[in-house]
Amino acid sequence: DGGITQSPKYLFRKEGQNVTLSCEQNLNHDAMYWYRQDPGQGLRLIYYSQIVNDFQKGDIAEGYSVSREKKESFPLTVTSAQKNPTAFYLCASSPYEAHTEAFFGQGTRLTVV
Amino acid sequence: GQNIDQPTEMTATEGAIVQINCTYQTSGFNGLFWYQQHAGEAPTFLSYNVLDGLEEKGRFSSFLSRSKGYSYLLLKELQMKDSASYLCAVKGNAGKSTFGDGTTLTVKP
Repeated sequence: DGGITQSPKYLFRKEGQNVTLSCEQNLNHDAMYWYRQDPGQGLRLIYYSQIVNDFQKGDIAEGYSVSREKKESFPLTVTSAQKNPTAFYLCASSPYEAHTEAFFGQGTRLTVV
Repeated sequence: GQNIDQPTEMTATEGAIVQINCTYQTSGFNGLFWYQQHAGEAPTFLSYNVLDGLEEKGRFSSFLSRSKGYSYLLLKELQMKDSASYLCAVKGNAGKSTFGDGTTLTVKP
């Protein structure tokens, strides 16, 4: 079955440690996105990539980094520079065409203690 | 930039009809999307509007007026399982989507 997979679903890290969240899709989508969601709020865009080896900052990129070495994969690293990393992180993908919806992974809930 | 507003919370009765409004101000427009999100889960796509008018999809309909920067999601024959958050999102330039904060709908018996 085609889909988008995030792992793990729950992740705990100590403050000051970098952590990488995985996102893999087999939908052959060109575009991939990372969003952050805090309680009671909508999704805020961290980074997005429309093609392999290229990505752009979203609205809240500070403290995060990404790579897009393969079409299927778009991992997100939450660095120690991110002031409030505890959140629900969602990865999404879509075809390159503008008029298409995004398909979301199940999300990773990151807790930094 | 983009700014999207929708009500924070709404309550409705099972079997009734509810309308969730969304207003937006954007620097580019390539369509408006509605997603449903149950607590702790990923959003799932409900509907899409790029031209003015009403799009109907079973119990769900969505309306768009580009000149007014306005959309609504209409849910008919409400069921308990419709209790969720409903997110309005506008796709702007360069494929970026901006999401509203979501409307939490509670359906009561």
